[in-house]
Amino acid sequence: QSVLTQPPSVSGAPGQRVTISCTGSSSNIGANYDVHWYQQIPGAAPKLLIYVNTNRPLGVPDRFSGSRSGTSASLAITGLQAEDEADYYCQSYDSSLSAIFGTGTKVSVL
Amino acid sequence: VQLVESGGGLVEPGGSLKISCAASGFTFSDSTMNWVRQASGKGLEWVGHIRSKSNNYATVYGVSVKGRFTISRDDSKNTTYLQMNSLKSEDTAKYFCTRRSYRVGAALDYWGQGTLVTVSS
Repeated sequence: QSVLTQPPSVSGAPGQRVTISCTGSSSNIGANYDVHWYQQIPGAAPKLLIYVNTNRPLGVPDRFSGSRSGTSASLAITGLQAEDEADYYCQSYDSSLSAIFGTGTKVSVL
Repeated sequence: VQLVESGGGLVEPGGSLKISCAASGFTFSDSTMNWVRQASGKGLEWVGHIRSKSNNYATVYGVSVKGRFTISRDDSKNTTYLQMNSLKSEDTAKYFCTRRSYRVGAALDYWGQGTLVTVSS
């Protein structure tokens, strides 16, 4: 089962912009499967943050944005806030229609 | 929309356990239901999914559980199940039930709060 690679951690001061990369391969993201992003506050269930590469569900602030290119995707948080401190996961599919998750990134607000 | 998992607990290595997920607030019978697990302090791992009746209740499993775990559903009860056999210590995790929705491009849009499964002697 393939894995999507993310940096273990990123950090930034309040108000700054941070980005999280999600690196896949030709068998998942590069095969044109969409990328979704989830936010997980410690102790809580994951929450859908971005779907189909760039789209925000209702209620998700517009400081969160996503992009996809080639075999990778990225999540950007602009105007970082204390409440954004959480774990973030990307997710896609592979040719067997198995869902695959990224390794996860912990975002810290300094 | 609400997803409520139940049935977790302590089980010995080699044992079996069946956990449940009761759904409400949406048309369960039309939905593809997934199980995702998370070991303490670790990342998310997809366990598998079951599709709807119109898709022949097709199932797909992750490589680490294939042949040991079985996902089923009872549309009359709006409930999906995860039968876990030949359990190993590495199956210890919180197990989340989640819905895959084509309304959001096959993302997992609703999640339960999870049920904890501990495999230990």
